[in-house]
Amino acid sequence: EPEVTQTPSHQVTQMGQEVILRCVPISNHLYFYWYRQILGQKVEFLVSFYNNEISEKSEIFDDQFSVERPDGSNFTLKIRSTKLEDSAMYFCASSGVGSYEQYFGPGTRLTVT
Amino acid sequence: AQSVTQPDIHITVSEGASLELRCNYSYGATPYLFWYVQSPGQGLQLLLKYFSGDTLVQGIKDFEAEFKRSQSSYNLRKPSVHWSDAAEYFCAVGDSGAGSYQLTFGKGTKLSVIP
Repeated sequence: EPEVTQTPSHQVTQMGQEVILRCVPISNHLYFYWYRQILGQKVEFLVSFYNNEISEKSEIFDDQFSVERPDGSNFTLKIRSTKLEDSAMYFCASSGVGSYEQYFGPGTRLTVT
Repeated sequence: AQSVTQPDIHITVSEGASLELRCNYSYGATPYLFWYVQSPGQGLQLLLKYFSGDTLVQGIKDFEAEFKRSQSSYNLRKPSVHWSDAAEYFCAVGDSGAGSYQLTFGKGTKLSVIP
């Protein structure tokens, strides 16, 4: 069964450093998403991406964040200068054309020290 | 803006007992509704979805959910809980945008199962 994969599973970084979180969506999906879950809180939408551009973004997704689909398989989330409050689990998701079902990856736990 | 409320933070049931997890939503139009399950250290797995049609939806692992528009609810049920059902359950509402859409999640209900 196809699935969304994410790397790394856990990333530790120092405040102010740049991080790139990677995702490989399901191969025939065209809509891609990032969500985050701060420990003990709800899962929050960050951004959606379609046809090589951002479709929607939340207030959380400020200038420190960017997304990219550098090739035909990867979808990345970059945080330029990490802050302590960026520590969270980051989930990638994808969905197909005409489908409203989003499939989630296992997540990347980001720890900013 | 849409919102989701899961009033129960933590529920404990005995194995074999029935289960109902509550979910209330706030959304202006006909919602797309989902239940996801998250086991410890795992991602979010889709259990059930409601887009339209029959308001009683059957999902995987004998879970079902019923959409009640009059109560703005989409409660999750299971007739007989298994120990492996212990996990966190999230209700979500989909906000359809231009082809893509964002999910708004509730805070989740943690389910514990005792033998």
